[in-house]
Amino acid sequence: NAGVTQTPKFQVLKTGQSMTLQCAQDMNHEYMSWYRQDPGMGLRLIHYSVGAGITDQGEVPNGYNVSRSTTEDFPLRLLSAAPSQTSVYFCASRQDSNLSPLHFGNGTRLTVT
Amino acid sequence: AQKVTQAQTEISVVEKEDVTLDCVYETRDTTYYLFWYKQPPSGELVFLIRRNSFDEQNEISGRYSWNFQKSTSSFNFTITASQVVDSAVYFCALSEGAGGTSYGKLTFGQGTILTVHP
Repeated sequence: NAGVTQTPKFQVLKTGQSMTLQCAQDMNHEYMSWYRQDPGMGLRLIHYSVGAGITDQGEVPNGYNVSRSTTEDFPLRLLSAAPSQTSVYFCASRQDSNLSPLHFGNGTRLTVT
Repeated sequence: AQKVTQAQTEISVVEKEDVTLDCVYETRDTTYYLFWYKQPPSGELVFLIRRNSFDEQNEISGRYSWNFQKSTSSFNFTITASQVVDSAVYFCALSEGAGGTSYGKLTFGQGTILTVHP
């Protein structure tokens, strides 16, 4: 059981480049989300999805796009990378119940130069 | 708006000492959920506990215990007889609401870096 899988684990981009962070889960979870982790700020919600075809913004959505065409996948797109987007990104999923915790992927460390 | 504050940025203890990590939260909802997550040096986030706002019972799991007090809006975490393997960043988090839009929308505290020295 793989859980939540994120790729790549590390990425270096130049300012203005675009890329997609991949996230896949094999637990048939309806809910998926993206967080970014910055020193001294904990984790902040970027975007989330409550099911295929449904997405919404979190606390820090600017500069990021998401889509949810399948239950399994929830990619995060950086359209034009900026140094302020240097961070560690975590994807998470959970069952459709407040009784279940979030399951996190292992993270993607992104550096924008 | 909801907010979680972990006032202790870093804590350093010697092995076998007890240590308490503080967590204070703010919310207007009467139904909410509190969580603790551990992030070891390897970087993954490990779920430790979930507590809902209607359950103020303290919980103990091995060397870990949690003290939830609604009167002071606190959800503190104590490690008894700490070990080197407890060294990690610990996050407290809050999720509001009884369902629907609250799904997995966690507000995290800033995290507390715990270092346990041998």
